[in-house]
Amino acid sequence: AQSVTQLGSHVSVSEGALVLLRCNYSSSVPPYLFWYVQYPNQGLQLLLKYTSAATLVKGINGFEAEFKKSETSFHLTKPSAHMSDAAEYFCAVSDQRTPTRTGANSKLTFGKGITLSVRP
Amino acid sequence: NAGVTQTPKFQVLKTGQSMTLQCAQDMNHNSMYWYRQDPGMGLRLIYYSASEGTTDKGEVPNGYNVSRLNKREFSLRLESAAPSQTSVYFCASSVLAGGMETQYFGPGTRLLVL
Repeated sequence: AQSVTQLGSHVSVSEGALVLLRCNYSSSVPPYLFWYVQYPNQGLQLLLKYTSAATLVKGINGFEAEFKKSETSFHLTKPSAHMSDAAEYFCAVSDQRTPTRTGANSKLTFGKGITLSVRP
Repeated sequence: NAGVTQTPKFQVLKTGQSMTLQCAQDMNHNSMYWYRQDPGMGLRLIYYSASEGTTDKGEVPNGYNVSRLNKREFSLRLESAAPSQTSVYFCASSVLAGGMETQYFGPGTRLLVL
């Protein structure tokens, strides 16, 4: 069984400060990992994904995440927060490793989400 | 290219009423999913469809039924709504690329059951 832990429900940073959102996962097989962002009253938008090609993954809007197998972590960072980064962020893990023809052998397991607030 | 679309955006039901949430995607994806989002719970999978003609239960299927009408459309039905089904419902579809599935989400349907 796979699971995702996002510690804390709310993070508040000042504009221009470092953003660090933590994600730890549990998976019985090497995982695929994702970060999604949800702006108020909107759906989830893919920020970035780990595919095992590189441990440091760059995403949209200046975010990046580093896969650390020894720590079973996939923390999301951004060097300088912007007001527009205020949103809810979800980490998710998929255990699908085998290419499929029809798809959906993978199921995403989501963390509970972290709300990021950015102070002026 | 609209991506994943959902209707309606908002709905208020009385306990016991039925309704169908509609989802469509124009990305030619094989797989589609229904999730519910509740505060502090993240997203939980209700049902999914690996391909046209197949559906399977997810983590929280009780009280719901689904229909994969064709490759584009995947609907979620509440036969007898209960207050516990008050939630935000998201539909997603996924693409397989490089051996990896990536899911793309619709804007959501906000449902209130009184």
